[in-house]
This record gives sequence, structure tokens and C-alpha cells, in this order.
Amino acid sequence: DSGVTQTPKHLITATGQRVTLRCSPRSGDLSVYWYQQSLDQGLQFLIQYYNGEERAKGNILERFSAQQFPDLHSELNLSSLELGDSALYFCASSRTGADTQYFGPGTRLTVL
Amino acid sequence: AQSVTQPDIHITVSEGASLELRCNYSYGATPYLFWYVQSPGQGLQLLLKYFSGDTLVQGIKGFEAEFKRSQSSFNLRKPSVHWSDAAEYFCAVGAGAAGNKLTFGGGTRVLVKP
Repeated sequence: DSGVTQTPKHLITATGQRVTLRCSPRSGDLSVYWYQQSLDQGLQFLIQYYNGEERAKGNILERFSAQQFPDLHSELNLSSLELGDSALYFCASSRTGADTQYFGPGTRLTVL
Repeated sequence: AQSVTQPDIHITVSEGASLELRCNYSYGATPYLFWYVQSPGQGLQLLLKYFSGDTLVQGIKGFEAEFKRSQSSFNLRKPSVHWSDAAEYFCAVGAGAAGNKLTFGGGTRVLVKP
């Protein structure tokens, strides 16, 4: 158990819908990262937050957005969902913005 | 841009035999290197990491990895594989203080024969 929690574990929804994935970092960690794991793209970095501020952005679609709240938990919002958004979404956290990342168990999103 | 290549998609090894997983990276400066393992239906667990210093690093579960700058490699090894080592293994490179997004290789799936 890494100490990073993600909810929900599984999510099934329809095309065009919007969902929110939630992540709580390890105690004391200030930075949160989101990654997408899909069969065709592999593991890809989406976005990083550090102490509430966006720190780095990867290949995140405009339909996706994220934020980190004052209590340091983070949410990833996915809207206008398409079949291709079906994937495993991981959250990771680290103490600072530049050290080892510990991953949560992931949220498996299925878009029908 | 940083990149990671794991040349072997699948490896089958007998229980008790040694294992070596290859990882080659591309990064302009000194990289931060990681190996993670993903068991079926599970998240990513950190096996070991290299930031600086001794180029041979020890990790959990009896794994070790060696950083070779001249070959841009960070291969993972285990002297004697157990059935529970069957999983997918990912090598990753991070930019560290310059921005810590991880770039992952495509993964190597390890099957262990009894």
C-alpha cells in the first residue's frame, strides 16, 4: 500500500458524459501527478500540481482538466467522453515536486 | 525530449533462473531513473530508483539495477526468480528538479514457468 488513495476504483459511463476522478496523496506529500494507461498509448503523463498550483502539463486533452485543493487532494475531470478515453487513470504523489513518485491503485474508466 | 525503450515486450523465465530486463533511455542531462512493477489489476509499485552516486542500486524483492551512462542503460536484474515475480515491469526516466514528469517505457511482461 503506497498511501495514495483513488476513488472510485471502477467507473462505467457512456459517451458524451462527464466524470470526476479523485486522488488523495500520501500524508505530507505536496505534489500530485495524473497519468493515463491505455493499450495503445501506454503510460502517459497528463498533469502535475504542486501545493495547489499547476506545475507541468503533458499530453492532456482540452476536454480534461484537473485541480488540487487546499487540503492537497486532487480531482481529474473528464468531459465529453469518447470511447478512446477508456483507460486506467493513475494518480501519484511526491513529497516535493522533484522526487520519487508513489502511485495509487488507479481508476479504471470504461466508456460505452 | 526524454524517451525510454524497453526492447523486450515479453520474457519467459523458469522459476529459480536469473532475470534481466533491458532499459535504454534518452535524456540530455543526468537522468532520474526508476523501475516500477505492476501486478495484474494492481497499481505501480516502486522497485528501485537511481538519482546519483553508486551506479549499482538495490531495490525491494531482491532486485537490483545498474546505471551505465556510456550505454544510456538502466537494466534490472534478479538472480533467482520466484513465481510471484510474474508481472509487468516499467522503466521510467524523470527530469528531477527540472520538472518531474515521468516518461515510461512500453513495459516488459514477465512470465514465470514452474
